[in-house]
Amino acid sequence: DAKTTQPTSMDCAEGRAANLPCNHSTISGNEYVYWYRQIHSQGPQYIIHGLKNNETNEMASLIITEDRKSSTLILPHATLRDTAVYYCIVRPSNTGKLIFGQGTTLQVKP
Amino acid sequence: GAGVSQSPRYKVAKRGQDVALRCDPISGHVSLFWYQQALGQGPEFLTYFQNEAQLDKSGLPSDRFFAERPEGSVSTLKIQRTQQEDSAVYLCASSLGGVAVGETQYFGPGTRLLVL
Repeated sequence: DAKTTQPTSMDCAEGRAANLPCNHSTISGNEYVYWYRQIHSQGPQYIIHGLKNNETNEMASLIITEDRKSSTLILPHATLRDTAVYYCIVRPSNTGKLIFGQGTTLQVKP
Repeated sequence: GAGVSQSPRYKVAKRGQDVALRCDPISGHVSLFWYQQALGQGPEFLTYFQNEAQLDKSGLPSDRFFAERPEGSVSTLKIQRTQQEDSAVYLCASSLGGVAVGETQYFGPGTRLLVL
């Protein structure tokens, strides 16, 4: 299973864009990039996923590099409620198993 | 609508006791997953059901851990002879279909187990 590398923590000012990077240099062709977040004392929450094209939904945008070895999750206008641990996950297409790493703790500050 | 629910939310057990943790997935969801999350760590996969069939139990840490989903809906994770290292949050997730890509897993709030 491909591994991901994320910074341990990041800060972001409220109202600014939060850009969370993820490296997945060993990703293979049938593996998707997923992002989940976990707010304190809650279960993980799905944010977005993609294969090779950039994706956008009501929560965030996902930018995947052309070689697919890294990606960036963008929260366009961070709020205090976006403070959470963000997990970047590489998931093979033939399994539902999610392999979480340590994640990035995003602290949104007023 | 109702999401994934888990009960109890908190459980304190004495070492050596057996515990049973319940998961009610979203109605109609075919797939059900159990994860274990130790303090300060990301969740770790335990086992996966598609309907009543347990298709992957590669993450169960020992034979003291047992999961079932007899009617393809509610699932129970049982831990026998609990040990202190079993203290963790146990998360349940469900998804509508099988394991095809694009099937979002929806997580419950978890059961926090403390073994004394």
